[in-house]
Amino acid sequence: QSLLTQPPSVSAAPGQKVTISCSGTSSNIGSQSVSWYQHLPGTAPRLVIFDDHNRPSEIPDRFSGSKSGTSATLAITGLQTGDEADYYCATWDYSLNGGLFGGGTRLTVL
Amino acid sequence: QVLLVESGGGVVQPGGSLRLSCETSGFTFRDYSFHWIRQVPGKGLEWLAHVHSNGLDKYYAGSVKGRVTVSKDNSKNTLLLHMESLTPEDTAVYFCARGGGFRYYESWGRGTLVTVSS
Repeated sequence: QSLLTQPPSVSAAPGQKVTISCSGTSSNIGSQSVSWYQHLPGTAPRLVIFDDHNRPSEIPDRFSGSKSGTSATLAITGLQTGDEADYYCATWDYSLNGGLFGGGTRLTVL
Repeated sequence: QVLLVESGGGVVQPGGSLRLSCETSGFTFRDYSFHWIRQVPGKGLEWLAHVHSNGLDKYYAGSVKGRVTVSKDNSKNTLLLHMESLTPEDTAVYFCARGGGFRYYESWGRGTLVTVSS
């Protein structure tokens, strides 16, 4: 069981907005930056958000990230069928001195 | 174009060892830190190891510490992972990723499958 807690699944209709939460503790999310990854099985995971809220240049602005205290959130607006994937949050834990991933959230675009 | 390609996966007997490679191109390898991350079939991503750009500072997950060594070969632009005392629980797809330091995993390979089975 991961130290970062994500909902196992979320779903929404095309064009709608969805949010995915990631809950941690003071030794990880509360004091370290959070990143988010999109992963389709059999492919390389893709970075969509880094340093809590920054987007790589190739990621559309429909993707956004935020953080408050020991929780982080990924929001995706204007959902497209191509957004269907597993999404993972990640951060560093300074007490473990290692990286952490959330358990992953499967996004279904109905 | 940043490219990372893992190799070295396959079937390994329990108790055995393996060496995974991650060949890179499209950037100055020595300037970057790297990570190894794995995914057990049907499960989520698990961070395994980090090596600083200097090749000296290294960190490991508790689940593999003492069994795993990560290293950088700057002459070949290649990241390496040596694992020993393998168990069926090590069966997974192993990914290498270029790091944004500790903070994030900037670019990934497509992974190589390791199956530990007799």
